[in-house]
Amino acid sequence: DAKTTQPPSMDCAEGRAANLPCNHSTISGNEYVYWYRQIHSQGPQYIIHGLKNNETNEMASLIITEDRKSSTLILPHATLRDTAVYYCIVRVGGNAGNMLTFGGGTRLMVKP
Amino acid sequence: EPEVTQTPSHQVTQMGQEVILRCVPISNHLYFYWYRQILGQKVEFLVSFYNNEISEKSEIFDDQFSVERPDGSNFTLKIRSTKLEDSAMYFCASRWDRTNTGELFFGEGSRLTVL
Repeated sequence: DAKTTQPPSMDCAEGRAANLPCNHSTISGNEYVYWYRQIHSQGPQYIIHGLKNNETNEMASLIITEDRKSSTLILPHATLRDTAVYYCIVRVGGNAGNMLTFGGGTRLMVKP
Repeated sequence: EPEVTQTPSHQVTQMGQEVILRCVPISNHLYFYWYRQILGQKVEFLVSFYNNEISEKSEIFDDQFSVERPDGSNFTLKIRSTKLEDSAMYFCASRWDRTNTGELFFGEGSRLTVL
């Protein structure tokens, strides 16, 4: 699976949009971009994923560049409960056992 | 909302003892996983399980580890002879879809402390 690069930490003001970048310049055509987060020591939580098109769900939006070499996760109105480590992961689909490889992620601190 | 449940939430054991960590995946899910996270470190993949057999495992998952789905609902991770370095949070996860593009649902974890 392709490697991802994320800033180690970011701050965001409560109520503002949090924009978390991720570089995945070696991504292959059949690799999806996934975002998970881990609040404190809880189990990782799925946020969103995409292949080529931008995606939006009730938690976040995912913007993938046209060349697919980078993406941005957007939390439109960050709350204190969004303080967590956010992981950007690229993964091939279509293989029964394919696992997620977690990197260091971005530690997002939402401040009042 | 359905969830993955894990027991125990915390287990303390002596080095060399056997430990079994239990997980109840979401009921219609087909793929099952164990991950672990040593304190302050990354979440690491251990093993994936599908159709009653291991489909993938990492270098960490050596002969001391085994997994089982004994009764169609539980998914267990056994560590035969625990070592100090096995102290970690162990996360179970499950997924339903056959396209392998869907999300993994993680449990809240079992903290293992080996003394």
